[in-house]
Amino acid sequence: GAGVSQTPSNKVTEKGKYVELRCDPISGHTALYWYRQSLGQGPEFLIYFQGTGAADDSGLPNDRFFAVRPEGSVSTLKIQRTERGDSAVYLCASSSGLAGGEQYFGPGTRLTVT
Amino acid sequence: AQTVTQSQPEMSVQEAETVTLSCTYDTSESDYYLFWYKQPPSRQMILVIRQEAYKQQNATENRFSVNFQKAAKSFSLKISDSQLGDAAMYFCAYRSAGSNDYKLSFGAGTTVTVRA
Repeated sequence: GAGVSQTPSNKVTEKGKYVELRCDPISGHTALYWYRQSLGQGPEFLIYFQGTGAADDSGLPNDRFFAVRPEGSVSTLKIQRTERGDSAVYLCASSSGLAGGEQYFGPGTRLTVT
Repeated sequence: AQTVTQSQPEMSVQEAETVTLSCTYDTSESDYYLFWYKQPPSRQMILVIRQEAYKQQNATENRFSVNFQKAAKSFSLKISDSQLGDAAMYFCAYRSAGSNDYKLSFGAGTTVTVRA
């Protein structure tokens, strides 16, 4: 596609459940980022992939959060044992991976944990 | 991590007038990038303008311009001839120019309302 896509657009789940959020980056982009945006706040960095490997996962809040990018394209953010505090918009972005390359964002997935 | 501060939660501007959004940041680095992003209700983050710290000239993109004061660590956005479509949340963001540090650090955002 022409831009970054994310599915689902919205996800409602019960506390304690497991969820997966998917990101399809722009074709050819080697770098992929996940951010979390709580209501009324700016996005906060979670994890950054360069190719298949996580180059920086310092933003993941705890071990319930995990992300993969097995073939260097699509990425999945996985959240185990969801908590109400996980409710937020999860944004994905991709870039060429070159220094100075612009990050292009997807429309995000709004996660609501009830 | 770098801190980005936007001290104006909300700004209102009359259509065709000018509004200026403030942003300050804290860093010990000498080379970095600064950005302004627009986020309408659709949630899609759109890059408005970017500034490279080593460039003294302020960036301009059509009706959008910045005032970059490196010594003061200030990076304000001016929207001229405001249009109804400019209504959105605006985020200031910082990124290191280091080779392995591409993550963006965002401010809390400023909601811009445009009055017809």
